[in-house]
Amino acid sequence: EAQVTQNPRYLITVTGKKLTVTCSQNMNHEYMSWYRQDPGLGLRQIYYSMNVEVTDKGDVPEGYKVSRKEKRNFPLILESPSPNQTSLYFCASSLLTVRKTGELFFGEGSRLTVL
Amino acid sequence: GENVEQHPSTLSVQEGDSAVIKCTYSDSASNYFPWYKQELGKGPQLIIDIRSNVGEKKDQRIAVTLNKTAKHFSLHITETQPEDSAVYFCAASRGSQGNLIFGKGTKLSVKP
Repeated sequence: EAQVTQNPRYLITVTGKKLTVTCSQNMNHEYMSWYRQDPGLGLRQIYYSMNVEVTDKGDVPEGYKVSRKEKRNFPLILESPSPNQTSLYFCASSLLTVRKTGELFFGEGSRLTVL
Repeated sequence: GENVEQHPSTLSVQEGDSAVIKCTYSDSASNYFPWYKQELGKGPQLIIDIRSNVGEKKDQRIAVTLNKTAKHFSLHITETQPEDSAVYFCAASRGSQGNLIFGKGTKLSVKP
């Protein structure tokens, strides 16, 4: 089954304790992206990757890191989480041919609470 | 910077009525306009999309219209059903990169 898998789905942590949210897709997609969803603010892009070893900042990258060492995985790293990073996080992937955006497939979401 | 405005933020309709959600975008280079539906506790899923060389697209009870001159596009749902209740997001591609910028979402409630 084609899917994007995120882990953990729920996490409560404390300020400053490094954490990683994993994301894996089994569709051989080149493009992967992380979003955060907050009430009244919609989906805001954190980082995205066009292919292996190619990553770039989205609209709200501060406080986050990513890496793309393999095509299927795109982990989101919070080196020193703060309460303003409490949010619902979504990973997504798509085929991305030249000048033609493809359908984004989203994971089920990871709800993070930073105390 | 690039922006996508979405209205209304909430919409309540009676079952069987139509629902319309409108979006405007700012990037003249945008050429792809998808709509996503997010059910409670799930990730968004694509329901319909339109590219800039097309003015209208229909899929059963849902349709999307695009006015490139005015930079706005709309989602139309006819004969609404309770299972249409969800949050709907519009999006527009950013220039040639293919990245999407999303609207803030519309919470649609369909009352039986």
